[in-house]
Order: sequence, then structure tokens, then C-alpha cells
Amino acid sequence: EAGVVQSPRYKIIEKKQPVAFWCNPISGHNTLYWYRQNLGQGPELLIRYENEEAVDDSQLPKDRFSAERLKGVDSTLKIQPAELGDSAVYLCASSQDRVGYTFGSGTRLTVV
Amino acid sequence: ELKVEQNPLFLSMQEGKNYTIYCNYSTTSDRLYWYRQDPGKSLESLFVLLSNGAVKQEGRLMASLDTKARLSTLHITAAVHDLSATYFCAVRDRDDKIIFGKGTRLHILP
Repeated sequence: EAGVVQSPRYKIIEKKQPVAFWCNPISGHNTLYWYRQNLGQGPELLIRYENEEAVDDSQLPKDRFSAERLKGVDSTLKIQPAELGDSAVYLCASSQDRVGYTFGSGTRLTVV
Repeated sequence: ELKVEQNPLFLSMQEGKNYTIYCNYSTTSDRLYWYRQDPGKSLESLFVLLSNGAVKQEGRLMASLDTKARLSTLHITAAVHDLSATYFCAVRDRDDKIIFGKGTRLHILP
């Protein structure tokens, strides 16, 4: 069984540029999460989806971040425009039963 | 707001020794998770603890949960170098968010 797949693995962009991350969760997992992990810190939740509905986006900085989950499967997270402080690892996770969670390998974003 | 605190944040220990990582959380919760993260890698699930008094063991790692004390421990027995990693405790809050601690960076010296 394929795990949670994220792309790209690494991204370097200049500040003020847009960037997008993609996540393909495990088949059948209805719940999808985007987390941000700063260096030396634990992951922090940005948004949670149940199928295609964003049920918790209270931590998403909506002035520059947006997310969508097409047909309740794949999801994209976008930042526009990126700032230096957005440099972090962006992790996607999925769950079938909201007991066990599987994380993807993450996208390491560097904003210069 | 649920807060999760781990200690120590850094731990350097000799192979063969035993040690314990502590995880305290601030409000009632029914689920606690332990994850391992290697440098540059994603999070690997180690344990899910669902009830008071739960104890789970895998190899040299054992996790326990005391919901009354809001405390979980991750005990390492006879440490080996391969266990060097960062270990995260995470707790589910009443809004179904998983809140992570800052992590414990474990370095095991040969």
C-alpha cells in the first residue's frame, strides 16, 4: 500500500513568489491534514479536511495561504506571496478513523 | 487551549543505559501519540495510547499513559545507537486537533 505522497520534496523560491504543495493521501482515508513544522519544533496544524470539506482552518493564515481538496482525495496547499518566515517543512497526513495518522515525507520550503 | 510539554528537550546517553522521556499535557484528552522522526524524514508512528493505564511496548521502547496525572512516559531500555532520533508526543484536543510537543532530541553515544 502506498503511503501519503507529497510533492515536491524540496522547493526554493524568492520571497513574494507563489508556491504550491501537493498531497495524495492513502486511498480510503477521508481525513486529511496539513501541518507546518519549523526547524527544531513540533508540527503545527494548518488545516483539516473531512472529505472535501475544510472542517478546521482556524490556524491557516488566510491572507496568504489557501488550500483545497479536490473531490475529497488529493489536496493542494498554496502560499501567495511567500515570506521569509514561511520557510519550514510542510507535512500532509491522512487518517481513516482519526485514531491512527500517517504522515507523508513533507515538502521542505526555503524562501530566500 | 491544550498545551503539550516534553522533557527533556535534549538527551545524550550512553548505549546500554535506560532513560525516560516525559510528556505532560494541560487539559483532559483521550488520545496520546508517540512519534519518531529521523533527520530530514517524516514522522513515524510508534504508539497510540487510548486509555488510562495503557502500556504498550515495541522492542526497547515502552510507552505508558496516566490520564489522571495527564502524563505519558516513553521508556528506553538498554539504548542502542539506532534509537537516536527526535521523539514527539502528541495529544488530541476536544476539537479533534492533534497538538504536538516540541520533541525530545535523543542522541545515543556508542
